[in-house]
Amino acid sequence: AQRVTQPEKLLSVFKGAPVELKCNYSYSGSPELFWYVQYSRQRLQLLLRHISRESIKGFTADLNKGETSFHLKKPFAQEEDSAMYYCALSHGSSNTGKLIFGQGTTLQVKP
Amino acid sequence: DTEVTQTPKHLVMGMTNKKSLKCEQHMGHRAMYWYKQKAKKPPELMFVYSYEKLSINESVPSRFSPECPNSSLLNLHLHALQPEDSALYLCASSPPRNSGGANVLTFGAGSRLTVL
Repeated sequence: AQRVTQPEKLLSVFKGAPVELKCNYSYSGSPELFWYVQYSRQRLQLLLRHISRESIKGFTADLNKGETSFHLKKPFAQEEDSAMYYCALSHGSSNTGKLIFGQGTTLQVKP
Repeated sequence: DTEVTQTPKHLVMGMTNKKSLKCEQHMGHRAMYWYKQKAKKPPELMFVYSYEKLSINESVPSRFSPECPNSSLLNLHLHALQPEDSALYLCASSPPRNSGGANVLTFGAGSRLTVL
């Protein structure tokens, strides 16, 4: 079964501390992995996709097929990073982006 | 224009009412989606339209009826809803497959529906 697991509902860190939001997936084919972010009172928006291998707002995520993980990392958290973060999976060769979302992790960055 | 626009932002309806949610995008995207999101939960896929044809229906009750009049517009017609249907309804769109971004969704701000 296709599944995305985010084990932490809430992650609370102090400003300047490193952050790692965990994401594990189960999928039998070739998935495409994403991180979406939802800031307070803003729309859900794409943060990262694994095939881009880019850093956005200081965040990076590496797909580890052996561990079936796609953890989101940032070396120094900022208060403006506080938001809900969703890891999501899509079939790599899909014609439409049917996304399967994890349950989400709320990141709280304290001053 | 790089946005997905949804109207209305808020809707309150009774269980016997008929109403519609509307979604519009002018990015040339050829896939459009309806998702339902309950408070503090992830979005759940309802419908996918690809090139104006319904390609995925995630076993959604018939009281929700989608419509895609053209490549820029997506509607969700609501009839005889239940209070448990109260949620944020998100529209999204994604580029054509050959653009390399078929799986990258752009979401609207949502329509918050309350069923009394």
